[in-house]
Parts: sequence; C-alpha cells; structure tokens
Amino acid sequence: DIQLTQSPSFLSASVGDRVTITCRASQGISSFLAWYQQKPGKAPKVLIYAASTLQSGVPSRFSGSGSGTEFTLTISSLQPEDFATYCCQQLDSYPYTFGQGTKLEIK
Amino acid sequence: QITLKESGPTLVKATQTLTLTCTFSGFSLSTNGVGVGWIRQPPGKALEWLALIYWNGDERYNPSLRSRLTITKDTPKNRVVLTMTNMDPVDTATYFCAHRQAIQLWPFDYWGQGTLVTVSS
Repeated sequence: DIQLTQSPSFLSASVGDRVTITCRASQGISSFLAWYQQKPGKAPKVLIYAASTLQSGVPSRFSGSGSGTEFTLTISSLQPEDFATYCCQQLDSYPYTFGQGTKLEIK
Repeated sequence: QITLKESGPTLVKATQTLTLTCTFSGFSLSTNGVGVGWIRQPPGKALEWLALIYWNGDERYNPSLRSRLTITKDTPKNRVVLTMTNMDPVDTATYFCAHRQAIQLWPFDYWGQGTLVTVSS
C-alpha cells in the first residue's frame, strides 16, 4: 500500500496568514493526488484534484502543487471558515489511501 | 444535483454482520464511468477507503478488509450496499459513501453525510 504522510499534524495560524501543508507519498504517484477539507461532524469536501486542479466552486486562495512523492496544499490568506482538518488522498493505485490529516487551528 | 445518503444500523454487536445502504440521486450507475465507494473514519482518526463499485460491475476492495467486505449495486433503485462481516469494536466509525468517476485522477467529489456505527462487545 502507498503510505501518505502529512506534515505538520497540527498547525496554528491567524486569519490572513499564508499556510502550507505537505503530503509525502511512500512511492511515486505521478499527479494522482487530491486534497480534502473536513469540518467536525461533516463529510470531507474535495478542494484540489490531480495535484493542482481546483475543484469547481472552491475559492482561488486554495492551491496545490507537486508530483511524484511530494505535494503541497497552500492557502494564500486564511479566512475564518478555513479552520478545519485537511487531508490528502492518493488515486494512483488501489487500495486508495489517505493521509492522517492536518488540523488547522486559530492562533 | 448529486446527493448520497447512508442508512443502516447505528449499533451492532461484535461478530454480527453490518449492512449499509447508500441511496443516491442525480446520477445513475448505468452511466459509463460512474462509481460509488465506501470510506470510513473512526472517531478522531483518519479516513480509510473500503470498497468501490463501478457502472460495469467492477468491484474494488481494500485488501486489508477484503475477506469481510461485499459491495453490490441495485441500479434501478439507485442504491449501493456494503456488507461487512464479523464486526468488532475497532470497526466503530462513521461510514461514508461517495461518488467518483472511473478516471484515475478523479477524486471522491460528492459525499453522503455519513452514518456513525458503534460496535458493542
């Protein structure tokens, strides 16, 4: 199975900050990576797929980059509604796997 | 508008079989390229992909749970059913169903609200 390791696991930031979350794959997955946002008690919501393609309706302050084994999710200017947990998912091969999540908290 | 909703028991006993139903609208599993998957999330833990079924009947399973899982579809009724045998307290989780396209880069783009299943010993 392909393991995904996110860093950091916890992130404290302020409204207006620029933040970056990293997802590292245990083997190359080309660009077959998605990023999700999840709020407590809710289903995940896809933000980015194919490593860098913004899902329709997602604000442009979210961006993704990377290929192979290292990927990043960047939020250019944090808004109050962005405080949530973010996770990555690889779609390169079965079994599909998810990262352990990064919880973004208000400083 | 695509929607999905999970249904099933909220409480099962250890060793019992869990049957969950995903009822969806806004798409059909008779359409080329469509798939429905199941993903679970234990309280406070990471997401875990369980199984997928595609419009053509192709079934995919997480090998770590393969011996316990069966996914089926009822295309006319717009339903996908997941059964998991020999339930254990460690299987306590919120179970989600989700839609995706059978394109390698495609994510799970629509999700149900999830249903919490508690397994008692």
